[in-house]
Amino acid sequence: TQLLEQSPQFLSIQEGENLTVYCNSSSVFSSLQWYRQEPGEGPVLLVTVVTGGEVKKLKRLTFQFGDARKDSSLHITAAQPGDTGLYLCAGAWDSNYQLIWGAGTKLIIKP
Amino acid sequence: ETGVTQTPRHLVMGMTNKKSLKCEQHLGHNAMYWYKQSAKKPLELMFVYNFKEQTENNSVPSRFSPECPNSSHLFLHLHTLQPEDSALYLCASSQDPGWAEKLFFGSGTQLSVL
Repeated sequence: TQLLEQSPQFLSIQEGENLTVYCNSSSVFSSLQWYRQEPGEGPVLLVTVVTGGEVKKLKRLTFQFGDARKDSSLHITAAQPGDTGLYLCAGAWDSNYQLIWGAGTKLIIKP
Repeated sequence: ETGVTQTPRHLVMGMTNKKSLKCEQHLGHNAMYWYKQSAKKPLELMFVYNFKEQTENNSVPSRFSPECPNSSHLFLHLHTLQPEDSALYLCASSQDPGWAEKLFFGSGTQLSVL
């Protein structure tokens, strides 16, 4: 059983559409990070959220941390082919500094 | 050159071979990590080094042997691997080994064990 469940596992949509991917857990996290990994590369940090209910925007990407700090979502507006990649979420607990990783959502944006 | 550099990018080895993966970071960070990434599975933390000292070893089989000669270089020595060890091996660094720290990853070594 994974501590962090990401859904969907795979998503393929047309350029210009909107989408939301989710990162859910039954555990409370102190903070949660989102990374994007492009083919042939390592993950790159996009954002860190630390406060329940927090919303952060990065151009067309909107990240939200759930009020109870158990879940998070990533919404992309008007998706572009450059958004293609594997989106990973990773949560941290106060008692253990090791990050807990989700298995990722593989996103393909078709031109 | 900046960031985290891993070599080789690809490696194919037999189960009786001995090989080493290399990682170098040019960011002045104090902590370095080895992660294993398998398809459709969460990243698995293997080893953590802080100021050249190993601080975490997540029950990794002894056929994987890390080495950190200084805070900029990290190696993963491989011997008598199994086919299930085939995966992408990622090196990462951070300023300090705290949970809120931003991780900087290399591009990884895609390992295939035949």
